[in-house]
Amino acid sequence: AQSVTQLGSHVSVSEGALVLLRCNYSSSVPPYLFWYVQYPNQGLQLLLKYTSAATLVKGINGFEAEFKKSETSFHLTKPSAHMRDAAEYFCAVSFISGDQFYFGTGTSLTVIP
Amino acid sequence: DTGVSQNPRHKITKRGQNVTFRCDPISEHNRLYWYRQTLGQGPEFLTYFQNEAQLEKSRLLSDRFSAERPKGSFSTLEIQRTEQGDSAMYLCAGRAGGLTGELFFGEGSRLTVL
Repeated sequence: AQSVTQLGSHVSVSEGALVLLRCNYSSSVPPYLFWYVQYPNQGLQLLLKYTSAATLVKGINGFEAEFKKSETSFHLTKPSAHMRDAAEYFCAVSFISGDQFYFGTGTSLTVIP
Repeated sequence: DTGVSQNPRHKITKRGQNVTFRCDPISEHNRLYWYRQTLGQGPEFLTYFQNEAQLEKSRLLSDRFSAERPKGSFSTLEIQRTEQGDSAMYLCAGRAGGLTGELFFGEGSRLTVL
């Protein structure tokens, strides 16, 4: 089965601390990977995507993610958390074999002042 | 602003009533997706269109749900005989380009069934 798993439904960090949100995928074909952010009562906004070019991908708002094929991972990081980063984060995967997008269950990020 | 608009943003209805949601993507979005999202969960795929053709429909989608995309532009999602379990956020997303293209989401339509 092709899917994506987000470890940790809730993550809390102090303002200024490193943010690390985990995502692992399961796939028999090369994946395309995405991170989205969702603020309360809003739709999802793309942070960044991996589409088989550079394995280290930089996105908006200072976030970046690294595709590691050997670990089947695409973890999201940010060196220094800001209060405005508090939101729900979703990892998603799609494949060259089709148009389907699969989303993880999400990680809620809390930033402590 | 993704250019994808959804209406209505909020809908409260009584059990057994029919509801319809509308999604307007931008013209470049040849593909259009519908997802359902409940509290604390990720978006759950419902169906998607390429232009006016409905190419895939989730097995989780009951016969009470129907979606259309006439002329390959806007799309509607109708739920007949609503149940309390249908209460959720219904998200629409447009997609352009090839298989590497991302989804552009609207702000969603929240349904509450009393």
